[in-house]
This record gives sequence, C-alpha cells and structure tokens, in this order.
Amino acid sequence: DTGVSQNPRHKITKRGQNVTFRCDPISEHNRLYWYRQTLGQGPEFLTYFQNEAQLEKSRLLSDRFSAERPKGSFSTLEIQRTEQGDSAMYLCASRSSGRAYNEQFFGPGTRLTVL
Amino acid sequence: LAKTTQPISMDSYEGQEVNITCSHNNIATNDYITWYQQFPSQGPRFIIQGYKTKVTNEVASLFIPADRKSSTLSLPRVSLSDTAVYYCLVGERDDKIIFGKGTRLHILP
Repeated sequence: DTGVSQNPRHKITKRGQNVTFRCDPISEHNRLYWYRQTLGQGPEFLTYFQNEAQLEKSRLLSDRFSAERPKGSFSTLEIQRTEQGDSAMYLCASRSSGRAYNEQFFGPGTRLTVL
Repeated sequence: LAKTTQPISMDSYEGQEVNITCSHNNIATNDYITWYQQFPSQGPRFIIQGYKTKVTNEVASLFIPADRKSSTLSLPRVSLSDTAVYYCLVGERDDKIIFGKGTRLHILP
C-alpha cells in the first residue's frame, strides 16, 4: 500500500492557461474522489468515479473543469482558462467498495496558484 | 444530511488530554460518526469512526452518548505534533464526504 499520490505537488500558472493534475489512487481502490480546499475551509467535493464511470459532479465543477479516469486506474483533473478564483489545493481520495463510506484515503494534494 | 457543529478552535498543552465535542442533533438512525485529522499542507486522514457508546484505537477514543446527538473525540496526552484541524462528519449523502470548517487544535509547549 503506497498510498494515494498526486502530481504535481505545486503548480503556478497565469490566468487563462490550462492546467492538468494527475491522481494515482491506491491500486485496489475502485472509487476515486476529487475535492478542492481553499484557505481556512474544509475540503469541498467536486466529483467522484466508480471504476471509469463518473457518477456525480458538484455544481462547483463549472464547464471549465473536466475529470477523467480512463480504465478505472489513475485520474486527471483539467481546468481550462484558469481564473484567479481557481487558486486552491486540489485533493484526490480513494477507497475500496468494501470500506466504510466515510473512510477515504487522501493524497497530499496539488496546490494551484493562478497569477 | 445531518449538520454538525464543533468549536472553531482550541488550545491545549503538551501532555494534556484533549476533548473535542461535536453536536449533530439531526443524526439519522443509520448514520455513523467519523473524525478526520488534517495537518498543514497535507490531505485529511481518517482517524476514527463509531456508531454508539465508545470506540478506541491507537490514535483516539470516540465517545457517543445514547441519544447520539453529540460525540466527543478524545486525544490522550497530546504532543506538539497533534496540532491540526479535526473534522467531525456524520452520515454521508450520495457517497461523498461533506466537510465543515473543523476545529483548529493548537498544542502549546
């Protein structure tokens, strides 16, 4: 069990650019979640996958955001035409179907700064 | 979805026992109570979960009274490294976690 990994750990970009983040879940976990966290707030749910199927998307996930999980393994989160309000920590989590619903394993996050 | 209320922040000293109480008056019959810990610049970490009475693991204890309208996370003999944000969660809607602002615990030497 090597844990959930996320890359890059930090990303600085200029407003209007596109960025893509990657999440590698724990290998046997079929559920994968994306959250966003701003300073002083708890993480906010963005979207989640069961295997390769995207089952739910938050209203927070505007049309500029897209997430994929090809083949039910790693996942990517892309933000197009970034805005300064997108600056946040983006967290990925995974869990196995056999685990309790609330027991998710989080990665270290990708900190995005939009200038 | 049950709403939770917990203190915004708490201070304590090394070696003390810390109790963080969370109220959840609208908890549903099937809801579990879960606590996460988050260190600065890291993702949250699951620490304990319970349904009723008392649960204990190597990290913490969770006390839940009979009416389940509140719960208390107990951290024995805290150290500086226990400084973190602690989130109380109840139940789950549609398989995602709804985090509040949590309790910022600051341990002083």
